[in-house]
Amino acid sequence: AQSVTQLDSHVSVSEGTPVLLRCNYSSSYSPSLFWYVQHPNKGLQLLLKYTSAATLVKGINGFEAEFKKSETSFHLTKPSAHMSDAAEYFCVVTTISGNTPLVFGKGTRLSVIA
Amino acid sequence: SQTIHQWPATLVQPVGSPLSLECTVEGTSNPNLYWYRQAAGRGLQLLFYSVGIGQISSEVPQNLSASRPQDRQFILSSKKLLLSDSGFYLCAWSVLARTDTQYFGPGTRLTVL
Repeated sequence: AQSVTQLDSHVSVSEGTPVLLRCNYSSSYSPSLFWYVQHPNKGLQLLLKYTSAATLVKGINGFEAEFKKSETSFHLTKPSAHMSDAAEYFCVVTTISGNTPLVFGKGTRLSVIA
Repeated sequence: SQTIHQWPATLVQPVGSPLSLECTVEGTSNPNLYWYRQAAGRGLQLLFYSVGIGQISSEVPQNLSASRPQDRQFILSSKKLLLSDSGFYLCAWSVLARTDTQYFGPGTRLTVL
């Protein structure tokens, strides 16, 4: 079975400072991992995706995430936060092969302070 | 390019009334389609998914139902809404199996009073 834990329900950072959103996963098989972003009252937008290629994945809007198998983690980072980054972020796990659906974390709300 | 539409964007309905939410996808053929519900302060809950016309799988038993009358059309329905049906409903599509990257519509905010 797959599961994902987002370790922080809310993260607040100042504009221009680094962002770190933490995610740990559990998977019986080789995982695929995603990060999605959701702005208020909007649908989810794919930020980046890991599928067993390079462990450091670069996404849109300057975000990146590193797959660490030994730590079962897939943390999302950005060097410098912008006001427009304020949103809800979801970490998602599934398996590369098989028929398991996407499993979503409960989300981390990112606030950016001017 | 592919686009996904949902309507209505917002809906306020009384308890016991029927529901019909529609989702359509453009620019792709034979997509996998999904309905999710996002309740306040919670993550996403997969309600239904479909791999083809008339093929619906239910993930959670409830008073909602889904239909896929056309290849790129996915409908979420209820005969009688409950207060607990309030939430943000999201439609999504993917190219391959349900482990594939999913692309989401703009969502429908449903409030049941």
